[in-house]
Amino acid sequence: AQKVTQAQTEISVVEKEDVTLDCVYETRDTTYYLFWYKQPPSGELVFLIRRNSFDEQNEISGRYSWNFQKSTSSFNFTITASQVVDSAVYFCALSPWDNTGKLIFGQGTTLQVKP
Amino acid sequence: GAGVSQSPSNKVTEKGKDVELRCDPISGHTALYWYRQRLGQGLEFLIYFQGNSAPDKSGLPSDRFSAERTGESVSTLTIQRTQQEDSAVYLCASRPGLADYNEQFFGPGTRLTVL
Repeated sequence: AQKVTQAQTEISVVEKEDVTLDCVYETRDTTYYLFWYKQPPSGELVFLIRRNSFDEQNEISGRYSWNFQKSTSSFNFTITASQVVDSAVYFCALSPWDNTGKLIFGQGTTLQVKP
Repeated sequence: GAGVSQSPSNKVTEKGKDVELRCDPISGHTALYWYRQRLGQGLEFLIYFQGNSAPDKSGLPSDRFSAERTGESVSTLTIQRTQQEDSAVYLCASRPGLADYNEQFFGPGTRLTVL
């Protein structure tokens, strides 16, 4: 069975702090995709990143960075120098390599960044 | 260009009534997905349409749920004899065809409340 676990239900930080959102996944597939989505208070999911399972290079995009470790089945997301606008629910998701695009989501982590 | 749109944005119904939720995907997107998001939970996959292929209904929770899509355009999700546990946000997503893998683009969702 495929599963995504985001153990942190809620995180609260003060602006400018760094914060890491954890994601652990389970799959028997050898190839797959991993995603992060942001859901701001407006409700619409915003795509942040997609990684495929054979590319373990870490990625940085501005204040965002992602650490993919296949050995520990983790795909963690770090926000550096957090801002109030980063307050949202963040979802990690897994998709099989079958081109259907079906996403298996974690429960989400609610991040609150206080000024 | 226009994104994925969904209507209505909110729907309140009485237990036992039928409801129809509508999704207008991005023009040209051949794949369409429905997900359910219960309060404080991650998204659960419901159904997937790809072009004129038979839909993948593996996520539908019961036979009270059904969905249709006309060609590569509008989709409707129907819930018959609604129950209180059907209360959730129903999200629709679309993505381009299978030639290259792309992320899903999500609509704003329909918030369904069953009294």
